[in-house]
Amino acid sequence: LAKTTQPISMDSYEGQEVNITCSHNNIATNDYITWYQQFPSQGPRFIIQGYKTKVTNEVASLFIPADRKSSTLSLPRVSLSDTAVYYCLVGDPYGNKLVFGAGTILRVKS
Amino acid sequence: EPEVTQTPSHQVTQMGQEVILRCVPISNHLYFYWYRQILGQKVEFLVSFYNNEISEKSEIFDDQFSVERPDGSNFTLKIRSTKLEDSAMYFCASSPLAGEPSPYFGPGTRLTVT
Repeated sequence: LAKTTQPISMDSYEGQEVNITCSHNNIATNDYITWYQQFPSQGPRFIIQGYKTKVTNEVASLFIPADRKSSTLSLPRVSLSDTAVYYCLVGDPYGNKLVFGAGTILRVKS
Repeated sequence: EPEVTQTPSHQVTQMGQEVILRCVPISNHLYFYWYRQILGQKVEFLVSFYNNEISEKSEIFDDQFSVERPDGSNFTLKIRSTKLEDSAMYFCASSPLAGEPSPYFGPGTRLTVT
């Protein structure tokens, strides 16, 4: 299973765009990249998933370069409620045996 | 929006007792999972279940653990003889065979073993 590396923490202010980059140098050909958000004492919440190039949904964008060895989660105009831990994972698209790392603690300040 | 539900939200048990954690996956999903998270630590994979059998399991999922889909809607995790170190949040998750990306996690059951 590919290992991922993310920053331990990031600070931002309300209204700013936040970009969290994840490295996954050993990603396999069939692996997808999935990002989850987790609030304290809650289950991880699916944010976005992609295989290559760019994916956008109502809450985030995911940028994946051609070599797929990294990815960047972009959160537009964050609010205080976006303060959470964000996890980058690689694996099959159905989530079998997902390996969570320590994640990135995002703190949004007013 | 469909959700994975879990009961109970908090379970307190004594060491050596059996516990059953219950989950209702999203109705059209076919893959089911259990994960756990010890307080302050990473989310860890326990087991995946598809077509009424275990498809993958981790080293954590030893003989003390079992899973079952007893009635086509519920998905349960049983711990036969709980240990102090089993205290954790247990998350159920489910995903469809194809279509929307996944999996979707439930809110968790906090298991406290005393």
